[in-house]
Amino acid sequence: GESVGLHLPTLSVQEGDNSIINCAYSNSASDYFIWYKQESGKGPQFIIDIRSNMDKRQGQRVTVLLNKTVKHLSLQIAATQPGDSAVYFCAENAGANSKLTFGKGITLSVRP
Amino acid sequence: DTGVSQNPRHKITKRGQNVTFRCDPISEHNRLYWYRQTLGQGPEFLTYFQNEAQLEKSRLLSDRFSAERPKGSFSTLEIQRTEQGDSAMYLCASSLGGQRGFFGQGTRLTVV
Repeated sequence: GESVGLHLPTLSVQEGDNSIINCAYSNSASDYFIWYKQESGKGPQFIIDIRSNMDKRQGQRVTVLLNKTVKHLSLQIAATQPGDSAVYFCAENAGANSKLTFGKGITLSVRP
Repeated sequence: DTGVSQNPRHKITKRGQNVTFRCDPISEHNRLYWYRQTLGQGPEFLTYFQNEAQLEKSRLLSDRFSAERPKGSFSTLEIQRTEQGDSAMYLCASSLGGQRGFFGQGTRLTVV
């Protein structure tokens, strides 16, 4: 069945280090992927997206990598800052129905 | 503020009561989605609209749940005869055609 999951429930990094958050998906028909950041008490905030015809996309301090062979998605955050502390979700979409399927989320904690 | 707006932000209700939530999407966004999120989980898809047409409903959306988007602008989500298991954050997102959803801050429902 369709599932999107994250390998680790929590990630603790030192301020200034790079963070890597990983995500596995199982639906080979998924063709669109998004990373969201969610702070406590707020709705998910869009970070970056990638389509299946790409394997890498860069934003400001963030990079998303897609490996379709092993159905793996990662989010890299450069020079992690305290403001990056939040729960991060990967989400996938397969087809025209525009429904996003989310994983459980991973908490990123940045140590000062 | 031109983002997605949800009201109320918090709702406490007694079991068996009916509740209604409202979502005002970003102007001109033709798609509107409802998700439910429980603690420690990613958002779960409930339903979505394209303009005023409700195009898909999740199996999570029992007969006690109903959503409308009468004029293709704002949407309401009603839960009848609330149960304790309905306690969750209800999130609304909107998008223009494509798959990137912009989320509101959510309505936190507590059923006592």
